[in-house]
Amino acid sequence: IAGITQAPTSQILAAGRRMTLRCTQDMRHNAMYWYRQDLGLGLRLIHYSNTAGTTGKGEVPDGYSVSRANTDDFPLTLASAVPSQTSVYFCASTPDSDTGELFFGEGSRLTVL
Amino acid sequence: GQNIDQPTEMTATEGAIVQINCTYQTSGFNGLFWYQQHAGEAPTFLSYNVLDGLEEKGRFSSFLSRSKGYSYLLLKELQMKDSASYLCAGMDSNYQLIWGAGTKLIIKP
Repeated sequence: IAGITQAPTSQILAAGRRMTLRCTQDMRHNAMYWYRQDLGLGLRLIHYSNTAGTTGKGEVPDGYSVSRANTDDFPLTLASAVPSQTSVYFCASTPDSDTGELFFGEGSRLTVL
Repeated sequence: GQNIDQPTEMTATEGAIVQINCTYQTSGFNGLFWYQQHAGEAPTFLSYNVLDGLEEKGRFSSFLSRSKGYSYLLLKELQMKDSASYLCAGMDSNYQLIWGAGTKLIIKP
């Protein structure tokens, strides 16, 4: 089934640990995004990639890094997790960066203790 | 600054009509989007408006007034499965989406 897959679905992590959230899409979309969603706040963009080999910073990039080695994969890494990074993380993709119809993964719920 | 405002929560009755409003301020404008998000699930795309007027898609319609920085989502013949959060998002001149916090819609029998 075509779509966008995230892993893990849920994770509890000790503060200071390194964590990578995986995101893979098989729709050959050029643009990919990482958002975090917190109660009472809108989706906030962490990092984005308009095409393979390029990445950019979003609204809340501090403490996170991404890479886009190929079209399909867009992992998000927390180098040293802190409790304020407790959130639900959504990966999304779209055919091109000027298209607002995003396809979202199912989300990764991360708890940092 | 850029901002999207929408009500936090609304309640409506099954079979009725509800209108969810959204006002936006973006640096430039490349469209207004509505997404539906059921509890514990991912957002899914509902509609896109870039020109003034009403776009109808089945039981759902979306309206845009660019001069007023205003949009609404109209849901007709409400069903229990329409209970969800509805997210309004404006696309700015850099083609970045600016998201509202979402409106939680509660449908009562």
